[in-house]
Amino acid sequence: AQRVTQPEKLLSVFKGAPVELKCNYSYSGSPELFWYVQYSRQRLQLLLRHISRESIKGFTADLNKGETSFHLKKPFAQEEDSAMYYCALLLGYQKVTFGTGTKLQVIP
Amino acid sequence: DVKVTQSSRYLVKRTGEKVFLECVQDMDHENMFWYRQDPGLGLRLIYFSYDVKMKEKGDIPEGYSVSREKKERFSLILESASTNQTSMYLCASNGNTEAFFGQGTRLTVV
Repeated sequence: AQRVTQPEKLLSVFKGAPVELKCNYSYSGSPELFWYVQYSRQRLQLLLRHISRESIKGFTADLNKGETSFHLKKPFAQEEDSAMYYCALLLGYQKVTFGTGTKLQVIP
Repeated sequence: DVKVTQSSRYLVKRTGEKVFLECVQDMDHENMFWYRQDPGLGLRLIYFSYDVKMKEKGDIPEGYSVSREKKERFSLILESASTNQTSMYLCASNGNTEAFFGQGTRLTVV
Protein backbone atom coordinates (compact mmCIF):
# COMPACT_ATOMS: atom_id res chain seq x y z
CA ALA A 1 0.00 0.00 0.00
CA GLN A 2 1.15 3.50 -0.72
CA ARG A 3 1.34 5.44 2.46
CA VAL A 4 3.09 8.12 4.45
CA THR A 5 3.89 7.72 8.14
CA GLN A 6 4.63 10.50 10.58
CA PRO A 7 5.29 8.82 13.93
CA GLU A 8 5.12 11.92 16.12
CA LYS A 9 1.85 13.74 16.77
CA LEU A 10 3.58 16.46 18.77
CA LEU A 11 7.17 17.65 18.85
CA SER A 12 8.18 20.27 21.38
CA VAL A 13 11.57 21.95 21.15
CA PHE A 14 13.14 25.02 22.67
CA LYS A 15 13.88 28.07 20.57
CA GLY A 16 17.33 27.69 19.03
CA ALA A 17 17.34 23.89 19.28
CA PRO A 18 17.54 21.67 16.19
CA VAL A 19 14.35 20.29 14.73
CA GLU A 20 13.74 17.00 12.95
CA LEU A 21 10.26 16.00 11.86
CA LYS A 22 10.17 12.38 10.78
CA CYS A 23 8.49 11.03 7.67
CA ASN A 24 8.62 7.54 6.19
CA TYR A 25 6.89 6.38 3.05
CA SER A 26 6.02 3.22 1.18
CA TYR A 27 5.65 3.46 -2.58
CA SER A 28 6.40 1.01 -5.35
CA GLY A 29 7.46 3.59 -7.91
CA SER A 30 9.84 6.52 -7.89
CA PRO A 31 8.54 8.74 -5.09
CA GLU A 32 7.88 12.44 -5.28
CA LEU A 33 7.59 13.87 -1.78
CA PHE A 34 6.56 17.17 -0.23
CA TRP A 35 6.27 18.90 3.09
CA TYR A 36 3.20 21.07 3.65
CA VAL A 37 2.73 23.44 6.58
CA GLN A 38 -0.33 24.94 8.23
CA TYR A 39 0.20 27.92 10.51
CA SER A 40 -2.50 28.85 12.99
CA ARG A 41 -5.63 30.14 11.24
CA GLN A 42 -3.99 29.93 7.82
CA ARG A 43 -4.52 27.61 4.91
CA LEU A 44 -2.34 24.62 4.20
CA GLN A 45 0.57 25.54 1.94
CA LEU A 46 3.57 23.93 0.34
CA LEU A 47 6.82 24.26 2.29
CA LEU A 48 9.18 22.32 0.07
CA ARG A 49 9.44 19.45 -2.38
CA HIS A 50 12.28 17.00 -2.69
CA ILE A 51 12.87 17.48 -6.42
CA SER A 52 13.71 21.14 -5.85
CA ARG A 53 16.40 20.35 -3.31
CA GLU A 54 15.88 23.82 -1.86
CA SER A 55 15.90 25.31 1.61
CA ILE A 56 12.78 27.21 2.62
CA LYS A 57 12.66 29.25 5.85
CA GLY A 58 15.78 27.36 6.91
CA PHE A 59 14.16 23.94 6.48
CA THR A 60 15.65 21.17 4.38
CA ALA A 61 14.55 17.62 3.61
CA ASP A 62 16.56 14.90 1.94
CA LEU A 63 15.04 11.89 0.29
CA ASN A 64 16.68 8.69 1.51
CA LYS A 65 15.46 5.88 -0.71
CA GLY A 66 17.35 3.24 1.26
CA GLU A 67 15.54 4.13 4.47
CA THR A 68 12.38 5.29 2.62
CA SER A 69 12.49 8.51 4.60
CA PHE A 70 12.03 12.22 3.96
CA HIS A 71 12.72 13.87 7.29
CA LEU A 72 12.35 17.65 7.65
CA LYS A 73 15.20 19.41 9.43
CA LYS A 74 16.12 22.84 10.68
CA PRO A 75 19.27 23.58 12.68
CA PHE A 76 17.80 26.33 14.90
CA ALA A 77 14.09 26.46 15.67
CA GLN A 78 12.28 29.79 15.79
CA GLU A 79 8.99 30.60 17.49
CA GLU A 80 7.35 31.34 14.15
CA ASP A 81 8.03 27.74 13.07
CA SER A 82 5.27 26.56 15.41
CA ALA A 83 2.70 24.96 13.11
CA MET A 84 1.25 21.71 11.86
CA TYR A 85 3.50 19.91 9.37
CA TYR A 86 2.34 17.28 6.90
CA CYS A 87 4.51 14.99 4.82
CA ALA A 88 2.93 14.10 1.48
CA LEU A 89 3.48 11.68 -1.39
CA LEU A 90 2.42 12.29 -4.99
CA LEU A 91 0.45 9.50 -6.61
CA GLY A 92 -1.18 9.35 -10.05
CA TYR A 93 -3.45 12.10 -11.45
CA GLN A 94 -1.55 14.56 -9.29
CA LYS A 95 -3.28 12.99 -6.30
CA VAL A 96 -1.47 13.57 -3.04
CA THR A 97 -1.64 11.36 0.02
CA PHE A 98 -0.79 12.90 3.35
CA GLY A 99 0.60 11.69 6.62
CA THR A 100 -1.25 12.25 9.88
CA GLY A 101 0.74 15.37 10.64
CA THR A 102 3.12 16.53 13.37
CA LYS A 103 2.44 19.58 15.47
CA LEU A 104 5.66 21.47 16.10
CA GLN A 105 5.69 23.57 19.22
CA VAL A 106 8.67 25.87 19.70
CA ILE A 107 9.03 26.92 23.31
CA PRO A 108 10.43 30.45 23.86
CA ASP B 1 -2.28 35.56 -6.49
CA VAL B 2 -3.65 32.10 -7.09
CA LYS B 3 -6.81 31.24 -5.28
CA VAL B 4 -8.90 28.34 -4.16
CA THR B 5 -12.01 29.63 -2.52
CA GLN B 6 -14.48 27.67 -0.41
CA SER B 7 -17.91 29.21 -0.12
CA SER B 8 -18.25 28.96 3.68
CA ARG B 9 -15.82 29.08 6.61
CA TYR B 10 -18.33 27.68 9.09
CA LEU B 11 -21.50 25.65 8.66
CA VAL B 12 -23.88 24.13 11.16
CA LYS B 13 -26.36 21.59 9.82
CA ARG B 14 -28.85 19.18 11.28
CA THR B 15 -28.62 15.41 11.04
CA GLY B 16 -30.27 14.19 7.84
CA GLU B 17 -29.90 17.46 5.94
CA LYS B 18 -28.41 17.54 2.47
CA VAL B 19 -25.28 19.68 2.56
CA PHE B 20 -23.41 21.32 -0.31
CA LEU B 21 -19.81 22.51 0.04
CA GLU B 22 -18.62 24.60 -2.87
CA CYS B 23 -15.09 25.20 -4.11
CA VAL B 24 -13.84 27.42 -6.91
CA GLN B 25 -10.31 27.76 -8.30
CA ASP B 26 -8.97 30.38 -10.68
CA MET B 27 -5.83 28.60 -11.88
CA ASP B 28 -7.38 26.60 -14.73
CA HIS B 29 -6.27 23.39 -13.00
CA GLU B 30 -7.68 20.13 -14.26
CA ASN B 31 -7.33 18.28 -10.95
CA MET B 32 -9.42 19.10 -7.91
CA PHE B 33 -9.76 17.33 -4.58
CA TRP B 34 -11.82 17.18 -1.42
CA TYR B 35 -10.17 16.16 1.85
CA ARG B 36 -11.36 16.04 5.40
CA GLN B 37 -8.96 16.99 8.16
CA ASP B 38 -9.34 15.46 11.59
CA PRO B 39 -6.95 15.63 14.58
CA GLY B 40 -4.69 12.60 14.68
CA LEU B 41 -5.90 11.38 11.30
CA GLY B 42 -4.37 14.01 9.04
CA LEU B 43 -5.90 14.70 5.65
CA ARG B 44 -7.96 11.94 4.11
CA LEU B 45 -9.04 12.07 0.48
CA ILE B 46 -12.78 11.86 -0.08
CA TYR B 47 -13.09 12.35 -3.84
CA PHE B 48 -11.10 13.85 -6.65
CA SER B 49 -11.73 14.94 -10.21
CA TYR B 50 -9.24 15.10 -13.06
CA ASP B 51 -11.56 16.67 -15.60
CA VAL B 52 -15.01 18.15 -16.00
CA LYS B 53 -17.69 15.55 -15.24
CA MET B 54 -15.01 13.05 -14.22
CA LYS B 55 -14.71 11.87 -10.62
CA GLU B 56 -12.89 9.20 -8.71
CA LYS B 57 -13.39 7.89 -5.19
CA GLY B 58 -10.71 8.59 -2.70
CA ASP B 59 -10.04 6.74 0.53
CA ILE B 60 -13.25 7.62 2.39
CA PRO B 61 -16.06 8.28 -0.11
CA GLU B 62 -18.90 6.72 1.88
CA GLY B 63 -21.67 9.19 2.62
CA TYR B 64 -20.36 11.73 0.11
CA SER B 65 -20.78 12.54 -3.56
CA VAL B 66 -19.30 15.22 -5.80
CA SER B 67 -20.14 17.29 -8.84
CA ARG B 68 -17.83 18.89 -11.41
CA GLU B 69 -19.92 20.60 -14.07
CA LYS B 70 -17.38 23.32 -14.80
CA LYS B 71 -13.61 23.18 -14.70
CA GLU B 72 -13.29 25.81 -12.01
CA ARG B 73 -15.91 24.44 -9.61
CA PHE B 74 -15.93 21.25 -7.55
CA SER B 75 -18.77 20.59 -5.14
CA LEU B 76 -18.90 18.13 -2.26
CA ILE B 77 -22.33 16.82 -1.32
CA LEU B 78 -23.34 15.14 1.90
CA GLU B 79 -26.54 13.35 0.93
CA SER B 80 -27.77 12.95 4.51
CA ALA B 81 -25.50 14.57 7.03
CA SER B 82 -24.54 12.59 10.11
CA THR B 83 -22.71 13.62 13.28
CA ASN B 84 -19.63 11.63 12.29
CA GLN B 85 -19.24 13.96 9.32
CA THR B 86 -18.48 16.85 11.64
CA SER B 87 -15.03 17.88 10.46
CA MET B 88 -12.86 20.41 8.66
CA TYR B 89 -13.22 20.03 4.89
CA LEU B 90 -10.43 21.18 2.59
CA CYS B 91 -10.65 21.68 -1.14
CA ALA B 92 -7.50 21.66 -3.26
CA SER B 93 -6.51 22.01 -6.87
CA ASN B 94 -3.33 20.81 -8.49
CA GLY B 95 -1.69 21.53 -11.81
CA ASN B 96 1.60 19.74 -12.20
CA THR B 97 3.55 21.45 -9.47
CA GLU B 98 1.94 21.73 -6.08
CA ALA B 99 -1.49 21.49 -4.50
CA PHE B 100 -3.20 24.76 -3.57
CA PHE B 101 -5.70 24.66 -0.77
CA GLY B 102 -8.79 26.55 0.18
CA GLN B 103 -9.19 28.07 3.62
CA GLY B 104 -11.35 25.18 4.78
CA THR B 105 -14.97 24.76 5.85
CA ARG B 106 -15.65 23.78 9.44
CA LEU B 107 -18.82 21.71 9.30
CA THR B 108 -20.70 20.82 12.46
CA VAL B 109 -23.58 18.38 12.22
CA VAL B 110 -25.93 18.48 15.20
